[in-house]
Amino acid sequence: EPEVTQTPSHQVTQMGQEVILRCVPISNHLYFYWYRQILGQKVEFLVSFYNNEISEKSEIFDDQFSVERPDGSNFTLKIRSTKLEDSAMYFCASSPQGMRGTEAFFGQGTRLTVV
Amino acid sequence: SQQGEEDPQALSIQEGENATMNCSYKTSINNLQWYRQNSGRGLVHLILIRSNEREKHSGRLRVTLDTSKKSSSLLITASRAADTASYFCATDAIQGAQKLVFGQGTRLTINP
Repeated sequence: EPEVTQTPSHQVTQMGQEVILRCVPISNHLYFYWYRQILGQKVEFLVSFYNNEISEKSEIFDDQFSVERPDGSNFTLKIRSTKLEDSAMYFCASSPQGMRGTEAFFGQGTRLTVV
Repeated sequence: SQQGEEDPQALSIQEGENATMNCSYKTSINNLQWYRQNSGRGLVHLILIRSNEREKHSGRLRVTLDTSKKSSSLLITASRAADTASYFCATDAIQGAQKLVFGQGTRLTINP
């Protein structure tokens, strides 16, 4: 069964460093998303991406964050200068037709720890 | 806010019993979805119910949707230890961008 894959599963980084979280969405999906979940809290929307551009972003997704689909298969989330509060589980998701009426498929997540 | 809010926040039952979790939301939706998350793991899609549906079944899962009350329930029948997880409802609003908004989740513990 097709699945969304994320790498790495766990990343530890120094505060102020740049990190890139990688995702391979399901191949025929057109909509891509990043969510995050701070430990013990709810899953929060970060950004949605369609047709090679951001379609919506949340207040969390400030200038320190960027997304890219560099080669037609990978979908990356970059955090330019990490802060302690960026420590969270980051989930990538993809959907064939957007989230209206179709399920979203989530990856297993990348646990980011900023020290 | 479109947020779904689950109730209860935590539920502990004996194996074999039924577990019911509730979700409330605030805006008109296209669909409501339930996800499961095992501790520290990814989100697994369980079931999607559209706004024009009232009830849906999948195996031991039964989901109801009451759009007049802006609420949904997830029933797991004949619970098993492997059902221990957090369960989240997520809604997709009719207006606005296409995204799912998750509730706080219900932490379900099945005791053997």
